[in-house]
Amino acid sequence: QQQVKQSPQSLIVQKGGISIINCAYENTAFDYFPWYQQFPGKGPALLIAIRPDVSEKKEGRFTISFNKSAKQFSLHIMDSQPGDSATYFCAAINFNKFYFGSGTKLNVKP
Amino acid sequence: SQTIHQWPATLVQPVGSPLSLECTVEGTSNPNLYWYRQAAGRGLQLLFYSVGIGQISSEVPQNLSASRPQDRQFILSSKKLLLSDSGFYLCAWMANSYNSPLHFGNGTRLTVT
Repeated sequence: QQQVKQSPQSLIVQKGGISIINCAYENTAFDYFPWYQQFPGKGPALLIAIRPDVSEKKEGRFTISFNKSAKQFSLHIMDSQPGDSATYFCAAINFNKFYFGSGTKLNVKP
Repeated sequence: SQTIHQWPATLVQPVGSPLSLECTVEGTSNPNLYWYRQAAGRGLQLLFYSVGIGQISSEVPQNLSASRPQDRQFILSSKKLLLSDSGFYLCAWMANSYNSPLHFGNGTRLTVT
């Protein structure tokens, strides 16, 4: 059973556009929601994270929107750049166990 | 600062051979340690996690095993590799405190031939 469902599987965005990746969960015990960025051949790196008592968190061009009642959260990348091309994973945490989404491969066209 | 080391970076092994992947963490004590596997173009599958020396929890049945002989050392092993064991293996750590972030190593690309 997949604890966190992520969509889309792949995404193509023009340079300067907005990239949006969505995740949904069922377990209301999750209490921490990070996003990770992974470049080919490398391990995932923490990008930004949010707690469920906050509806939005912004760090530079990256924003997490969190909807607790709908049990959904999303990553928005503003002014997307070719250097943002990577695979993005959402995750949900409960008792120090991380449950990852299936990943979204983002390709930003120059 | 904390760092995580994982080796080797790539490994090609024949079917039926043993496996030993090692991971060490520096700059922290009593971390939670994790082994993940990532199949090509796929998500992250949690294999094992450890909250202390000698304490190993297995998430999926398989022919792999893990051990934690020292506080900051985590080892992934197999007695006999299968073709299906091919993948990208990632070690990760997090501080033993509430909602700490997970930090990944750079992974080992294992190809079983």
